[in-house]
Amino acid sequence: GQNIDQPTEMTATEGAIVQINCTYQTSGFNGLFWYQQHAGEAPTFLSYNVLDGLEEKGRFSSFLSRSKGYSYLLLKELQMKDSASYLCAVRDAHRDSNYQLIWGAGTKLIIKP
Amino acid sequence: DSGVTQTPKHLITATGQRVTLRCSPRSGDLSVYWYQQSLDQGLQFLIQYYNGEERAKGNILERFSAQQFPDLHSELNLSSLELGDSALYFCASSPGRGEIADYNEQFFGPGTRLTVL
Repeated sequence: GQNIDQPTEMTATEGAIVQINCTYQTSGFNGLFWYQQHAGEAPTFLSYNVLDGLEEKGRFSSFLSRSKGYSYLLLKELQMKDSASYLCAVRDAHRDSNYQLIWGAGTKLIIKP
Repeated sequence: DSGVTQTPKHLITATGQRVTLRCSPRSGDLSVYWYQQSLDQGLQFLIQYYNGEERAKGNILERFSAQQFPDLHSELNLSSLELGDSALYFCASSPGRGEIADYNEQFFGPGTRLTVL
């Protein structure tokens, strides 16, 4: 079956670094997305990994290991506005499903002063 | 602002009723996706349309239906509403049809919050 696991909730301190993990078991893989979603708002795109390694984009970085079915999102220099849910989504590799995104339940990140 | 618009922003209705949610994709995007997000739940993919044709189906109930019109806007129809249908409904769009070579980043609208009483 298709399964994506993320921690339900994490707490971190303003100015610190936090790593949000995502593990997946899917029948196929064609890329992994991270989205940020503030409460009651739309998800917004953060990053995309399709090859192994680290992608850095400002304060946010995302890492992928396809052999381990594992990704993480690293947030540096945390700000209060980073309090949000972070959604991991894997793109299926099957034509039958039209390469749909399979979504994790999201990790709620709480930033404390 | 993603460029995707959804109306209405809020909708309150009673059980057994029928509602229509509307979505206009970003200019130039041909694919529209519908998602349901219940309180503190993940996104549940409902259905995708590409250039007017149904492209993929997810966990969409038979009471729900959708279509995409020639001007590419889409509507999601929810009928015989139940209390459990209360949720945020998001529409997203992307340029391609979702083929394996597509980058397929999806841009989300602000959502419609449906409350069924």
